[in-house]
Amino acid sequence: DTGVSQDPRHKITKRGQNVTFRCDPISEHNRLYWYRQTLGQGPEFLTYFQNEAQLEKSRLLSDRFSAERPKGSFSTLEIQRTEQGDSAMYLCASSYSYNEQFFGPGTRLTVL
Amino acid sequence: QKEVEQNSGPLSVPEGAIASLNCTYSDRGSQSFFWYRQYSGKSPELIMFIYSNGDKEDGRFTAQLNKASQYVSLLIRDSQPSDSATYLCAVTNGFGNEKLTFGTGTRLTIIP
Repeated sequence: DTGVSQDPRHKITKRGQNVTFRCDPISEHNRLYWYRQTLGQGPEFLTYFQNEAQLEKSRLLSDRFSAERPKGSFSTLEIQRTEQGDSAMYLCASSYSYNEQFFGPGTRLTVL
Repeated sequence: QKEVEQNSGPLSVPEGAIASLNCTYSDRGSQSFFWYRQYSGKSPELIMFIYSNGDKEDGRFTAQLNKASQYVSLLIRDSQPSDSATYLCAVTNGFGNEKLTFGTGTRLTIIP
């Protein structure tokens, strides 16, 4: 059983560019979560899916952020018109129903 | 007041001693409580979870929950240098099926 995988592991982009991250959850996990973590802080919730339905989205998530989980398997997180403040580690986690969340390795984004 | 509070540390503990990590939370509706370990540059790794008042033991780790005091703790017995990491406390309002709200983490250093 493989764990949660994320791609890419690192992304460097210039301000104003769009970026897209992918997350593959543990197989059979129906819930998928996105978090963001900056240095010295705990992860901050962004959004989560149950199967293909996006059930909650943080009020902190600007309109430049969008996430999808089209077939209830992998998910993508897109950031449009990146800003330097978007630099962070983007973490994906998955769980089976009411069970514990397991995190992937994260995608580290640097916006120049 | 932050929703989940932890002392950021660093907390230094001699090898072989007991490390005690503490966390308080503000939402009395919180139902599920988690401890994650995070090594520098890595993603959080689940080590313990607890739902009911009292103690829960798993190997060298013991989680303690007191809902009346809104307090959760993690004890690490026989501390090893490999336990040196940041420990993140997280809570949810459901039974592991909703967003995790994290504290900022406590940095633990085990001194050989």
